[in-house]
Amino acid sequence: GAVVSQHPSWVICKSGTSVKIECRSLDFQATTMFWYRQFPKQSLMLMATSNEGSKATYEQGVEKDKFLINHASLTLSTLTVTSAHPEDSSFYICSARPGHGSYEQYFGPGTRLTVT
Amino acid sequence: KQEVTQIPAALSVPEGENLVLNCSFTDSAIYNLQWFRQDPGKGLTSLLLIQSSQREQTSGRLNASLDKSSGRSTLYIAASQPGDSATYLCAALDDKIIFGKGTRLHILP
Repeated sequence: GAVVSQHPSWVICKSGTSVKIECRSLDFQATTMFWYRQFPKQSLMLMATSNEGSKATYEQGVEKDKFLINHASLTLSTLTVTSAHPEDSSFYICSARPGHGSYEQYFGPGTRLTVT
Repeated sequence: KQEVTQIPAALSVPEGENLVLNCSFTDSAIYNLQWFRQDPGKGLTSLLLIQSSQREQTSGRLNASLDKSSGRSTLYIAASQPGDSATYLCAALDDKIIFGKGTRLHILP
């Protein structure tokens, strides 16, 4: 149980285009989902926290107009990288928290984004 | 603001040795402490989760301890194997997860 999927697993896009990454909790409802970014040989950095049906809360230094997060249902959150640039190339990982008093998070397998 | 530090940043040991990875956190008001493994270019694999009320958790050759009062956790790996080579991340959980920078472990055959 507690499986989180991400789609796509990798994507290459041209500079200036937008890319959408999906995060799904497959066998539980996620009241809260988190998006992380990981640059090569660096740790995961939290980008934003999203609760179903409300606006995402972004960490300091993360541009909310560039990284659009939508948590439209209890099993799906999307991250859209708008007007992507090469410096946005990174490994994006989502996690989902069931809620109900549990603080454990379950992580997706990650999406490798390369912007050319 | 929670900060998580892992020492050492990198470690190479011969196969078969026991080893300890260290993690410290600045804010002891955490709900859980979790250890992950990450292989190059891959996602996270959860190894052990220690609830704030617990002192340790064990899974196979892995044992993780938690001392909230001192803000420390250790991951003990017994009888290391080449397949244990990976980056090990610890993370402190409160309303968010804050990760350390990881320890890159290399087990020499």
